[in-house]
Amino acid sequence: DTAVSQTPKYLVTQMGNDKSIKCEQNLGHDTMYWYKQDSKKFLKIMFSYNNKELIINETVPNRFSPKSPDKAHLNLHINSLELGDSAVYFCASSQDRGMRAPLHFGNGTRLTVT
Amino acid sequence: SQELEQSPQSLIVQEGKNLTINCTSSKTLYGLYWYKQKYGEGLIFLMMLQKGGEEKSHEKITAKLDEKKQQSSLHITASQPSHAGIYLCGAVIPYNFNKFYFGSGTKLNVKP
Repeated sequence: DTAVSQTPKYLVTQMGNDKSIKCEQNLGHDTMYWYKQDSKKFLKIMFSYNNKELIINETVPNRFSPKSPDKAHLNLHINSLELGDSAVYFCASSQDRGMRAPLHFGNGTRLTVT
Repeated sequence: SQELEQSPQSLIVQEGKNLTINCTSSKTLYGLYWYKQKYGEGLIFLMMLQKGGEEKSHEKITAKLDEKKQQSSLHITASQPSHAGIYLCGAVIPYNFNKFYFGSGTKLNVKP
């Protein structure tokens, strides 16, 4: 069973389009995250939700909007996609919002904006 | 600026050789985590170190956290091609408990 699953694995789209990435975890964790990994492999946190409540919102353009329908799901919607949005987006979950437990990651969604 | 600095950025070693990857912070860390990322895949949790001076081992990988909790090293003994990937350190920075920062990663290739 996959613990943290994200879909799609690959996403190729044109500038200006709107797209969504879905994430689900079956670990029973309360906290979920979205990270962006750039071309240099640097991982940067974007959002964090704890039990459907937004607790971290980094300096991310308003075009990015996370949505958590329940604590097992955290989806990422991106409006008006730009070339600079091309990256790998990772979803993660943790049983502890205070970061005392390790993060469990999905396999990533490679987004390419043309 | 980056909260965690990793070195080296990339490493190519011959199979069977030992290697060390370092992770350094200017601040005292609340826990230091090591992850491995295989190319095109997600991150796999390797080890977590919480106490100053702590050392943990798993198979041929050993991680240490210094007494000041500002530096960690990951040592691989007798490397194998299966060790290839990107190694990332991650940590919680004291002034921002809800955030988990990652180092820039070390890309490891092991030549058979």
